[in-house]
Amino acid sequence: DVKVTQSSRYLVKRTGEKVFLECVQDMDHENMFWYRQDPGLGLRLIYFSYDVKMKEKGDIPEGYSVSREKKERFSLILESASTNQTSMYLCASSLAGIFTQYFGPGTRLTVL
Amino acid sequence: AQSVTQLDSQVPVFEEAPVELRCNYSSSVSVYLFWYVQYPNQGLQLLLKYLSGSTLVESINGFEAEFNKSQTSFHLRKPSVHISDTAEYFCAATRGAGNMLTFGGGTRLMVKP
Repeated sequence: DVKVTQSSRYLVKRTGEKVFLECVQDMDHENMFWYRQDPGLGLRLIYFSYDVKMKEKGDIPEGYSVSREKKERFSLILESASTNQTSMYLCASSLAGIFTQYFGPGTRLTVL
Repeated sequence: AQSVTQLDSQVPVFEEAPVELRCNYSSSVSVYLFWYVQYPNQGLQLLLKYLSGSTLVESINGFEAEFNKSQTSFHLRKPSVHISDTAEYFCAATRGAGNMLTFGGGTRLMVKP
């Protein structure tokens, strides 16, 4: 079974803090994704990576950056957290050329 | 740009009743379509997918969805729901080149005893 893990289930940070969300997958998938999930808006893609050190902006990249130094790990970085970044963050992975994505359990981030 | 619309944000239904969750997509090009389910406090799990071939696809727990190209729809149905089907359901579609998906806003299915 594909396993996608996220470093925290719940996280509380203060405005202006730098926040790191970590995601690890154990199935040697080339593609990794970061989404945020908000009620009524579904999942919106923040960033996508198709290989180590490669990244593409998704639909809402403003205020976020990512890092992929190893194939199995994809980090989402909030350089200076703001209250409007309070949300559920979901990480996913997939094989190259295969559209089925496998999701982690999510991190619920609250920015105060 | 690809968009996916789930027409109902919430669907309340009694146990053992049939249910349909509606999904429409906008693309005029070939698409692959997916339904994911999110149980409370969990991540998303793939429920079923349409890639090619038969337009009717089924899941292992009794759900089915039909790809209708002329109506650009991929509605999810189950003839008799169970309390354990209570969850949020997301429709998704491929968005042309690349491996990305576009998701709908989600439909919360609430099964009542």
